[in-house]
Amino acid sequence: GAVVSQHPSWVICKSGTSVKIECRSLDFQATTMFWYRQFPKQSLMLMATSNEGSKATYEQGVEKDKFLINHASLTLSTLTVTSAHPEDSSFYICSASTGGEQFFGPGTRLTVL
Amino acid sequence: GESVGLHLPTLSVQEGDNSIINCAYSNSASDYFIWYKQESGKGPQFIIDIRSNMDKRQGQRVTVLLNKTVKHLSLQIAATQPGDSAVYFCAENPTSGYSTLTFGKGTMLLVSP
Repeated sequence: GAVVSQHPSWVICKSGTSVKIECRSLDFQATTMFWYRQFPKQSLMLMATSNEGSKATYEQGVEKDKFLINHASLTLSTLTVTSAHPEDSSFYICSASTGGEQFFGPGTRLTVL
Repeated sequence: GESVGLHLPTLSVQEGDNSIINCAYSNSASDYFIWYKQESGKGPQFIIDIRSNMDKRQGQRVTVLLNKTVKHLSLQIAATQPGDSAVYFCAENPTSGYSTLTFGKGTMLLVSP
């Protein structure tokens, strides 16, 4: 149980385009979902926290107009990287929680050319 | 701000040895700690957790020790196997709500056969 999926697992896009990443809790309803970014050889950095039906809470330094988060249902959250640039290339990981333990997705590798 | 840090970026051991990965945390208010294993290109995988009212917890081949006096956390892996090779992160819950986690910098464990 407690499986979280992400789609796509990897994506390559051109600079200036937008990319949407999906995070789904497959066998449980997640009241809260988290989005992390991880650069090579670095730790996970929390980008934002979202609760179903509410606006996401962004960490300091994360541009909310650039990283759009939608948590429309208890099993789905999406992260849209708008007008992506090469510096946005990273490993994006989501996690889902029912209020306690976080269950992590497998991550999405974004490469912006 | 306060953060969780690690002493050793890379730890190399021989198969069958015991491994010890260390983590220093700075938020004395944290009451919950987790160790994660992350293999290349994958999301974090829960290993073991411990609450601040405990100083030791054992799992299968793994033991977590918590020393609140010096704010130190360690993960001990017994009879390390090549499959244990990965990056290990400690994470703390700073009790800021929504089960938020702050991740440490990570230690790469390399196990030679």
